Amino acid sequence: EAGVAQSPRYKIIEKRQSVAFWCNPISGHATLYWYQQILGQGPKLLIQFQNNGVVDDSQLPKDRFSAERLKGVDSTLKIQPAKLEDSAVYLCASSLPTGSTGTNEQFFGPGTRLTVL
Amino acid sequence: GEDVEQSLFLSVREGDSSVINCTYTDSSSTYLYWYKQEPGAGLQLLTYIFSNMDMKQDQRLTVLLNKKDKHLSLRIADTQTGDSAIYFCAEKDTGNQFYFGTGTSLTVIP
Repeated sequence: EAGVAQSPRYKIIEKRQSVAFWCNPISGHATLYWYQQILGQGPKLLIQFQNNGVVDDSQLPKDRFSAERLKGVDSTLKIQPAKLEDSAVYLCASSLPTGSTGTNEQFFGPGTRLTVL
Repeated sequence: GEDVEQSLFLSVREGDSSVINCTYTDSSSTYLYWYKQEPGAGLQLLTYIFSNMDMKQDQRLTVLLNKKDKHLSLRIADTQTGDSAIYFCAEKDTGNQFYFGTGTSLTVIP
């Protein structure tokens, strides 16, 4: 079974530029997550999709971050314009549909390491 | 959000046991998880425990949960150099929101 795919693996941009990350979840996984992991910290949830609808985006800085999952499969996360503090690894994860029971194991992609200069 | 705390570093000798600790604040946690992250890779689920259990064993891994003290631990028996990585605990609340700890970097000395 193929895992969660992300691209690019690395990106270096200057502040105020724009950047986009792409994620392809595991086939059949309705739930997709984007996390931001700053160096030395644990992942922080930015946004959670169930199919193509947003379940939780309470921690997404909406003035500069946006995400979409138009057909309920692939997703893109965009930052426009980037700031120095956006330097982090952006992790995508997917799982079977969330529900009130079950472990909802999340499968993570390798991440995109963003450096903002 | 909820607080999930871990100590930052742990060093053990190969063959010894490792114990990684985690504390959390959310009393309504449903599941608690341990993830492993190797350099340049995403997080890999190691094991999990349901909140009404107090212990779970899976080969070299033993998870202990003290719900009263909101304390979770992961014991790795016979630690190997391949176990060197960052270990994250995470909890899922009743709203299916996941909260990750700060991670513990485990170094195994040959």
